[in-house]
Amino acid sequence: NAGVTQTPKFQVLKTGQSMTLQCAQDMNHEYMSWYRQDPGMGLRLIHYSVGAGITDQGEVPNGYNVSRSTTEDFPLRLLSAAPSQTSVYFCASGRGEWEQYFGPGTRLTVT
Amino acid sequence: DQQVKQNSPSLSVQEGRISILNCDYTNSMFDYFLWYKKYPAEGPTFLISISSIKDKNEDGRFTVFLNKSAKHLSLHIVPSQPGDSAVYFCAASARSGTYKYIFGTGTRLKVLA
Repeated sequence: NAGVTQTPKFQVLKTGQSMTLQCAQDMNHEYMSWYRQDPGMGLRLIHYSVGAGITDQGEVPNGYNVSRSTTEDFPLRLLSAAPSQTSVYFCASGRGEWEQYFGPGTRLTVT
Repeated sequence: DQQVKQNSPSLSVQEGRISILNCDYTNSMFDYFLWYKKYPAEGPTFLISISSIKDKNEDGRFTVFLNKSAKHLSLHIVPSQPGDSAVYFCAASARSGTYKYIFGTGTRLKVLA
């Protein structure tokens, strides 16, 4: 099992550009989520999904879109990148609502 | 308002001694708590969890204690090893089916050889 994979590992965007962070898991987990980690802020939940076709907002959803068309994939879209979205992004998956397995992260810089 | 707080940003402990990491929460609806460990440039990895029906859970060198009346939990690592040096996050969730985890800001543990 590859577990949770995220691409790309690093990305630099200019303000106003859009992009999609990819996340995939091969553990047949129903639950997937996206977090961002900023210095001194811990991990903050952006969006999450409890199954294919079902998504909901977390603590900091503004500026991000998600969709869940398959169990395996949960992409995160930045619609119009802003410097405030400079962060490390983690995707996670889990079988229930408890233990989650995290991907290695995507480090995004918006200039 | 921070619902899950880890008030110590860092902690240094000698190898072989006990490490105690603390976490406080404000939301009385939280009833499931988890600890994660994170090394640099990696994603967090699950360490241990506890539900509110228990006040203690052990897994090898790791023990988590929950004091519901004080809204406080702690992670004990005994004995501490240099490989335990990492950032530790506590997280909390309410069993309401919201599937929302709230994380603390983390404590950086350094175990000195």
